[in-house]
Amino acid sequence: GENVEQHPSTLSVQEGDSAVIKCTYSDSASNYFPWYKQELGKRPQLIIDIRSNVGEKKDQRIAVTLNKTAKHFSLHITETQPEDSAVYFCAGGASKIIFGSGTRLSIRP
Amino acid sequence: DAGVIQSPRHEVTEMGQEVTLRCKPISGHDYLFWYRQTMMRGLELLIYFNNNVPIDDSGMPEDRFSAKMPNASFSTLKIQPSEPRDSAVYFCASSLTSYEQYFGPGTRLTVT
Repeated sequence: GENVEQHPSTLSVQEGDSAVIKCTYSDSASNYFPWYKQELGKRPQLIIDIRSNVGEKKDQRIAVTLNKTAKHFSLHITETQPEDSAVYFCAGGASKIIFGSGTRLSIRP
Repeated sequence: DAGVIQSPRHEVTEMGQEVTLRCKPISGHDYLFWYRQTMMRGLELLIYFNNNVPIDDSGMPEDRFSAKMPNASFSTLKIQPSEPRDSAVYFCASSLTSYEQYFGPGTRLTVT
């Protein structure tokens, strides 16, 4: 069935460095790929998304890339800051979206 | 806009009791989703509605779970009878299309 795999499960980077989270999906019909950030005890919040007709999208320090041929998509955070520490979820699908298992990102001061 | 509203925020109940979770989507949003989040299973889609009609309930764990959307501004998720393994955070989300889902604050359910 439909599946979205995400890695790594945990990631620790030095403040100011970049962080990359990668996901793969199985359903060829998937055309929408959002990324959510969830802080401890809070709700998931949409931070950026990409549609299948776009290969890359950027919003300030955050960028997403999509490779439909390989069924890969990635989140890139540059110049990381302490407030970037959270769990990040990728997701993908068409009429409904499937979430990855999450990446716990920690920013070291 | 107040965003997606869920109640109660916390629910503690004993095994065997009926539990009802409530959700008010963002006004004008045609899609409503119910998710369950646990450490073991992550964020799982239980069911979603479009224009108050259930479209996909393949994620509903078993017959003990049921969901309704009697009108565009209200939905319920009911568990009867509840079991300890139902303990989780239940999120409701809504969207204008099936994309860009906005989550409510969640209901933390503990079944003892």
